Amino acid sequence: AQSVTQPDIHITVSEGASLELRCNYSYGATPYLFWYVQSPGQGLQLLLKYFSGDTLVQGIKGFEAEFKRSQSSFNLRKPSVHWSDAAEYFCAVGSSGYALNFGKGTSLLVTP
Amino acid sequence: DAGITQSPRHKVTETGTPVTLRCHQTENHRYMYWYRQDPGHGLRLIHYSYGVKDTDKGEVSDGYSVSRSKTEDFLLTLESATSSQTSVYFCAISDYRQGGADTQYFGPGTRLTVL
Repeated sequence: AQSVTQPDIHITVSEGASLELRCNYSYGATPYLFWYVQSPGQGLQLLLKYFSGDTLVQGIKGFEAEFKRSQSSFNLRKPSVHWSDAAEYFCAVGSSGYALNFGKGTSLLVTP
Repeated sequence: DAGITQSPRHKVTETGTPVTLRCHQTENHRYMYWYRQDPGHGLRLIHYSYGVKDTDKGEVSDGYSVSRSKTEDFLLTLESATSSQTSVYFCAISDYRQGGADTQYFGPGTRLTVL
């Protein structure tokens, strides 16, 4: 069965510091992997996705993620965090035509 | 913007009353989904549709029904609302094409409170 684990419920980083949000998945075949961001009271916005090919994918807002099959991971990174990045981040795994399996989310707090 | 709207955006209702939430899309996508979001649970699938009149259950379907009589609308009904159905409900569409990978895009959500 598919599953996604986001080990960190809350993360606090200083503005300007680097960020890494962890995501581990369990999936029997080659997964499609996604990161979404949700600002308070808003819907989910797609940050980036991995289907195949280059394992380092670039997304919007300066985010990137790296697919590591050997570690079953798809961690999200950003070199320098801005206060506006404070939000909840969801990792998800799926396959074509099927619903996504979501992690429980990581809440990011950015301090001055 | 994937052209997804949800109505109503907010609703407060009482236990035992029926409630229908509407998801409307403008881009003729075949696949549509209803998820609920609760603190500590992420998003969980309620029901999904893979075409007009074609629907199937998700992980948390008990107490919910859906209908899709035309491509653009996917309705979620709580026949008799309970307090455990207080949640934020998200509709999503998939840009799935046969033989290709797909991406899901989400609507703005409906916040439902059952008193």
